[in-house]
Amino acid sequence: NAGVTQTPKFRILKIGQSMTLQCAQDMNHNYMYWYRQDPGMGLKLIYYSVGAGITDKGEVPNGYNVSRSTTEDFPLRLELAAPSQTSVYFCASRPVGGGAGETQYFGPGTRLLVL
Amino acid sequence: GNSVTQMEGPVTLSEEAFLTINCTYTATGYPSLFWYVQYPGEGLQLLLKATKADDKGSNKGFEATYRKETTSFHLEKGSVQVSDSAVYFCALITGGGNKLTFGTGTQLKVEL
Repeated sequence: NAGVTQTPKFRILKIGQSMTLQCAQDMNHNYMYWYRQDPGMGLKLIYYSVGAGITDKGEVPNGYNVSRSTTEDFPLRLELAAPSQTSVYFCASRPVGGGAGETQYFGPGTRLLVL
Repeated sequence: GNSVTQMEGPVTLSEEAFLTINCTYTATGYPSLFWYVQYPGEGLQLLLKATKADDKGSNKGFEATYRKETTSFHLEKGSVQVSDSAVYFCALITGGGNKLTFGTGTQLKVEL
C-alpha cells in the first residue's frame, strides 16, 4: 500500500495562474479531505468528500474547487492563484467504518508558493 | 463551535526528560480526541486517540487521558528521545462530523 500520495511536492505559481494538486489513495477509503497548513497554525479544512460524486465545503473553500469522480482520486483545483494561497496542502482519507473516531491518514503534503 | 487550545512552543528538553504538552478543548457534544505528530518534512501521523471520557490513548511511550471534567487531553511521555523532535497537534472531531479541529501545534525539540 502506498497510502495517500500527493503531487507535486513543491510548486511556485505566479499570481493569477491556475493549477491542480493531485491526491490519490489506495486504501479504498470513502472519505477524503483537503487541508491547508499556514505557518504556526493548525490545519484548516478546505473541502471534503464522503464518496465518489459527493463533495462539500470546509472552513476555507474560497478560491478552490474539487471533484471526486473515483474513490481513489480527489484533486484540488486553484483558479487565479493569490499570495494568500501560499501554504502547505495536505490530503487525507479515512474509511467509513468507525464513525468520527476513525483515524485520518495524511499524505506528505504539497508546498505551494504564490508570487 | 469547536476549538482546541494547545500550549505554545517551542518546547526544548534534554533527552530522557519528562514531557507534558497541554491541550484543552471546547466542543458541542462528545468529541473524539486525537494527538497527531508531524516529523520534519512529512505529513501528519496519528500518535494516539481516545473516543470517550476517561479513555487513555497510548503509543510509542506517549499517553493522554480524556478528561471530560477538565475538558483536557494532555500529552505525556516519561522519557523523551531526540527522535521525538517534531510538531505535535491536538485535535478533535464530534459526532458524525467530518471536520477535524486542530490546535496550532507545539514544536518539541529534544537535545542530547
